[in-house]
Amino acid sequence: KNEVEQSPQNLTAQEGEFITINCSYSVGISALHWLQQHPGGGIVSLFMLSSGKKKHGRLIATINIQEKHSSLHITASHPRDSAVYICAVLPTSGTYKYIFGTGTRLKVLA
Amino acid sequence: NAGVTQTPKFQVLKTGQSMTLQCAQDMNHEYMSWYRQDPGMGLRLIHYSVGAGITDQGEVPNGYNVSRSTTEDFPLRLLSAAPSQTSVYFCASSDDRGLSLSGANVLTFGAGSRLTVL
Repeated sequence: KNEVEQSPQNLTAQEGEFITINCSYSVGISALHWLQQHPGGGIVSLFMLSSGKKKHGRLIATINIQEKHSSLHITASHPRDSAVYICAVLPTSGTYKYIFGTGTRLKVLA
Repeated sequence: NAGVTQTPKFQVLKTGQSMTLQCAQDMNHEYMSWYRQDPGMGLRLIHYSVGAGITDQGEVPNGYNVSRSTTEDFPLRLLSAAPSQTSVYFCASSDDRGLSLSGANVLTFGAGSRLTVL
C-alpha cells in the first residue's frame, strides 16, 4: 500500500464546476504540498500546508492532521486548470525525503 | 529570474554511455534533490543533499552519483546508462526542508530533463 494515496486518479469536469481532489497519507508529517504539473511542463508548488486551510485565487487547500487527509478544491474550474495535481508529504522522520502521490489527472472541458 | 535551472532538457544516450544532468539554483537553498518521474508512478527520490558537502541516497540511487561542492550546484551523474534509466528527471530545491514560517512556497522544481537510453 502506498504511503500517499490520491483520489480520483482521473477526473473530467465541465468548465465552471467545483472540483475536489483528495490525498490520504499514512505517516506523520511536517508538511504537505500540493503540486501542479501541466502536460509536458514543469512542476509548481501551489500550496504548502502544515495545518488548517489556505486559499489562493480559485484554489483552496485544507488539511486534517488527525485524519491524515488533505483536499484541494478548485472553484469555477477553467480549461487552463487542466493538469496533473500531485500531493507530496514531508514525513516527520527528520530526513529530507518527500513522499509523492501518483497524481490526479484533471481535464476541464470548455 | 530566481529559480532552479536544469540542463539539458532533452538527451538521448546509448547503453553504457555516461552523462551529467546539471542543476543550479540561485535562491541560496540548503536542500536540493533529484527525482525521476515514470508513467504511473509518483516522483521517486534518487539522491538528496542538505547542504554543501553533504549528500545521501534516496529511494532509487543505483546507477546514479551526485556531489554538492557548492550551495548552488547539484549535478546528477549517470555512470553507465541503461534503458531502465529512461525517464524524466527533476531537480528541486528548498529552504529549511520546504517549510517557511511565512507560509511561502519554497519548494521549487526545475523544468525537467527528458532522458532516453537506447
